Amino acid sequence: DAMVIQNPRYQVTQFGKPVTLSCSQTLNHNVMYWYQQKSSQAPKLLFHYYDKDFNNEADTPDNFQSRRPNTSFCFLDIRSPGLGDAAMYLCATSRDKGTATYEQYFGPGTRLTVT
Amino acid sequence: DAKTTQPTSMDCAEGRAANLPCNHSTISGNEYVYWYRQIHSQGPQYIIHGLKNNETNEMASLIITEDRKSSTLILPHATLRDTAVYYCIVRVASGGGADGLTFGKGTHLIIQP
Repeated sequence: DAMVIQNPRYQVTQFGKPVTLSCSQTLNHNVMYWYQQKSSQAPKLLFHYYDKDFNNEADTPDNFQSRRPNTSFCFLDIRSPGLGDAAMYLCATSRDKGTATYEQYFGPGTRLTVT
Repeated sequence: DAKTTQPTSMDCAEGRAANLPCNHSTISGNEYVYWYRQIHSQGPQYIIHGLKNNETNEMASLIITEDRKSSTLILPHATLRDTAVYYCIVRVASGGGADGLTFGKGTHLIIQP
């Protein structure tokens, strides 16, 4: 089945140690998103790629970066994780045709623990 | 995007219809109403969306009031697997950058056996 895949599902990193989370999709969607969801909170958009164009949210810390080497893959890099960055990180995709934006498909998320 | 207001939590008996309300009194003419849900420890899942007409799909029905200031998501025969947080989101559906979703606090729906 076509889907959004996130690896790993659980990631433990040390305070200040760079970490990369991965997302891949088989839907061939042109838009990919990263959301952060802290415990008992709603998901919050960090940034998204529209094709190769990167769109950062105004309040996303510089500590968070992203790469999209091709249509299928997107990475979230946290350069120096702090304890406050412990969260579920959700990847999503959608298809945008310029005249309409379709629903978003979410992956299962990667739960990041910072020790 | 317009702001939405939802009850914090609701209970529903298994097999009964679950009716989840959402207020969006500041909705603009070109904004759609979307519903997503998030089952515990999973990513959100799209359910349905609509502009002004009522909509139905295999998962749910969406009833939008004539003035579009509120809507109701209906799960016709709730099962235990429908226990989740349900998010009502109002946003422009047309393209132009494909902005992300702005999630509110949602309604935690608990289906009781």
